[in-house]
Amino acid sequence: GQQLNQSPQSMFIQEGEDVSMNCTSSSIFNTWLWYKQDPGEGPVLLIALYKAGELTSNGRLTAQFGITRKDSFLNISASIPSDVGIYFCAGPGGSEKLVFGKGTKLTVNP
Amino acid sequence: SQTIHQWPATLVQPVGSPLSLECTVEGTSNPNLYWYRQAAGRGLQLLFYSVGIGQISSEVPQNLSASRPQDRQFILSSKKLLLSDSGFYLCAWSTGNNAGNEQFFGPGTRLTVL
Repeated sequence: GQQLNQSPQSMFIQEGEDVSMNCTSSSIFNTWLWYKQDPGEGPVLLIALYKAGELTSNGRLTAQFGITRKDSFLNISASIPSDVGIYFCAGPGGSEKLVFGKGTKLTVNP
Repeated sequence: SQTIHQWPATLVQPVGSPLSLECTVEGTSNPNLYWYRQAAGRGLQLLFYSVGIGQISSEVPQNLSASRPQDRQFILSSKKLLLSDSGFYLCAWSTGNNAGNEQFFGPGTRLTVL
């Protein structure tokens, strides 16, 4: 079945630094989704990408749909303490399902 | 606007006891509904999903079952809990007809089986 490889697994950064994480798929996707999960809460959809090459921003977050349609990137600029959490990528998993990456756990030191 | 509720928020149950977790969605009709389990604060494991009343698809054979008695209600159950059932249970919904199958998650239920 489809698999998503998300990296890095975890990141420890200083407040103010930029963050970059990525996700690769074993098959072509027509949609990429990025979620953030705050500790103890449900994941929240941050950005949805629908077109190869698409670059979309949401505040300090920017995500890109890779031109090969097998990868996507999420960047966070000028990190702040509330950026702490787990970031998940996701894509269509067939039959109304999603397939998720295993997450990137972000820790921001003030 | 649409909202999704889960209850209870936290639950501590002894091994062998029954379980019932409830999820309801407001502000939409005929949603697709999903149950996930998250262990150790990391990956999301899809347990069940439903595209309509009474229609349940099971992804992983296990000690749990799901039911959808009403259009916007999804219930996760167990007759006898195991220690391995501990985890963070998330309900999600989608419209089922959007371009990217975007799913929207509830706040979760933290289950501890002792």
